[in-house]
Amino acid sequence: GESVGLHLPTLSVQEGDNSIINCAYSNSASDYFIWYKQESGKGPQFIIDIRSNMDKRQGQRVTVLLNKTVKHLSLQIAATQPGDSAVYFCAENKNYGQNFVFGPGTRLSVLP
Amino acid sequence: DTEVTQTPKHLVMGMTNKKSLKCEQHMGHRAMYWYKQKAKKPPELMFVYSYEKLSINESVPSRFSPECPNSSLLNLHLHALQPEDSALYLCASSQGERSYEQYFGPGTRLTVT
Repeated sequence: GESVGLHLPTLSVQEGDNSIINCAYSNSASDYFIWYKQESGKGPQFIIDIRSNMDKRQGQRVTVLLNKTVKHLSLQIAATQPGDSAVYFCAENKNYGQNFVFGPGTRLSVLP
Repeated sequence: DTEVTQTPKHLVMGMTNKKSLKCEQHMGHRAMYWYKQKAKKPPELMFVYSYEKLSINESVPSRFSPECPNSSLLNLHLHALQPEDSALYLCASSQGERSYEQYFGPGTRLTVT
């Protein structure tokens, strides 16, 4: 299940289940979004992106959904694996500029 | 080579010291970024260099001074830091304008004593 800790929400899922990580973004003018994965001791790693003229985009085992009406983004990970354990950040961008604003992050914990 | 390297990995400095963080990429990217990340928080953008020119400064205190000597290198000069500046400093690069997949380095863990 999902819980909100003092600083970082945590989502725990069983290995093999699907994971859904949510993100509420702040700026209705944002038109480009990226999901990043950050493992312990490493920098963020690009997972998938989506532009505001789309509402769904699929990659390998990952799907991003965008709902502009409620300013909500989600990342779905199919058949979650232990290697998916990490902190996941969404980032939003306006006017295809270089200033990305990161969301607070969600820690995904995969249980054996 | 899709790697961004950062040195040093760890740095401990006193409030009166001067030190520099270094970042290097050989992907031909023309945009380079400095981010600051506190524990359990998201990265916060500090500076962006585009084609070796400073294009974004997110109101960062002058005790942080960025430098881009050439298209492959990015430095962050540190002077008279405060303990609250202790954080993970991340460097990233991207191809340039209108290409926003950023490649991040592993970061420099900075502790100010």
